This record gives sequence, C-alpha cells and structure tokens, in this order.
Amino acid sequence: GENVEQHPSTLSVQEGDSAVIKCTYSDSASNYFPWYKQELGKRPQLIIDIRSNVGEKKDQRIAVTLNKTAKHFSLHITETQPEDSAVYFCADGGTSYGKLTFGQGTILTVHP
Amino acid sequence: DAGITQSPRHKVTETGTPVTLRCHQTENHRYMYWYRQDPGHGLRLIHYSYGVKDTDKGEVSDGYSVSRSKTEDFLLTLESATSSQTSVYFCAISDSTGGTDTQYFGPGTRLTVL
Repeated sequence: GENVEQHPSTLSVQEGDSAVIKCTYSDSASNYFPWYKQELGKRPQLIIDIRSNVGEKKDQRIAVTLNKTAKHFSLHITETQPEDSAVYFCADGGTSYGKLTFGQGTILTVHP
Repeated sequence: DAGITQSPRHKVTETGTPVTLRCHQTENHRYMYWYRQDPGHGLRLIHYSYGVKDTDKGEVSDGYSVSRSKTEDFLLTLESATSSQTSVYFCAISDSTGGTDTQYFGPGTRLTVL
C-alpha cells in the first residue's frame, strides 16, 4: 500500500520567515496530493492541493510543488504569521475511491 | 463546515463494551470515510464506503466494522472496545469519482476506553 513520510515533525520559525514541509510517497501511480491544516482541537481542513498534471500551485502565501520523478511534494508558506501555527498534514490520494494516506504531521510554531 | 456531523462528540466507555459512532452528512456525497487520529501517526483510514451498502477495509480495520444503509449515514462499530482504540475518530466525505477530489472532515469524536 501507499506510504507517506513527512518531515520535519516540528518546525519553529519567526514571524515573517518562510516555512517548508516536505513529503515523500511510494506509489508512482498516485495522482492527487492535498495538504491539511489542523488547529488544536479542531478538524483537519484542506488548505491546498495539487494534481499530478502540474508541478506547482500557488494560493496567496501558500504554494505546493510536486516532483513526480523523485516522488516528493512540498508545502511552502511565505511571510508566516502567528495564526499559521498549527499541525500540517500532507496526504497521498492514491488512485481509487479517494482514499487518503496521511503523513505523520508537522507541528509548525510561528513566534511573534 | 460541509454539512457533516458526528455523534457523540465525546464518549467514555469500559473495555469489552460495544460502541457505535455515527457520521451524518447533508451533502449527498457518495464517498464516506472513517479515520482515527493518534499522536505520531497522523490520520489512518479505518473503513470507507463508496455507496449505500458498499464498504471496504482501510489500513487499520481490525476490531472495527461499518454499515451504510442510506447515503447520509455511516456508522462505525467497535464490537468489544479495547484500550488501544482510545483515539479521536474523524469521519470524512467526498464526492470523488476518480480519487482526486476534496475530503471534508467532521468535527471528530473523542473516545476513551478505560
């Protein structure tokens, strides 16, 4: 089955800095890669996703890049703000039934 | 929040007792999923459904069963709860037809098995 490795497990940055979280996946047939943000005690919420027919997608301060050859994808957050502090999960959407295999999560802390 | 509710939101039970968690959606989405979330493991798929009465196992299905008798409800049952099933359980829905659509999550159920 699919396997997703996510790094780092914790990330601490100063407000205004950039943050990068990287995930690798195992199934070369996978074609959908979402990123979720989860605040303490809340449900995971989709912040951005990318499909295998593009290499990069951007939404304001958030961007995701995909390297299908190397089987990895990354989340980039620029100009971080304290409200970006949360746990971020990457996921591999596989190829069937929309099943998601999640990475272990990254705890991002943005210090004012 | 995408019309998904879970009940109960919190439950404390004892080892060996049966427990049923309910996920209800008002979106008429075809696909429904149950995940558990534990520290250090992210979210792991327990079971999923791709239509009424159509269900299949996920990554961590041992000790769990599911049923879906109508589009809007997906039930997760622990036949005989164990302490290892203490976790936060999330339901999710999707209208995916090709494995490439957004999953929306419910608010979660915190289950403690003593």
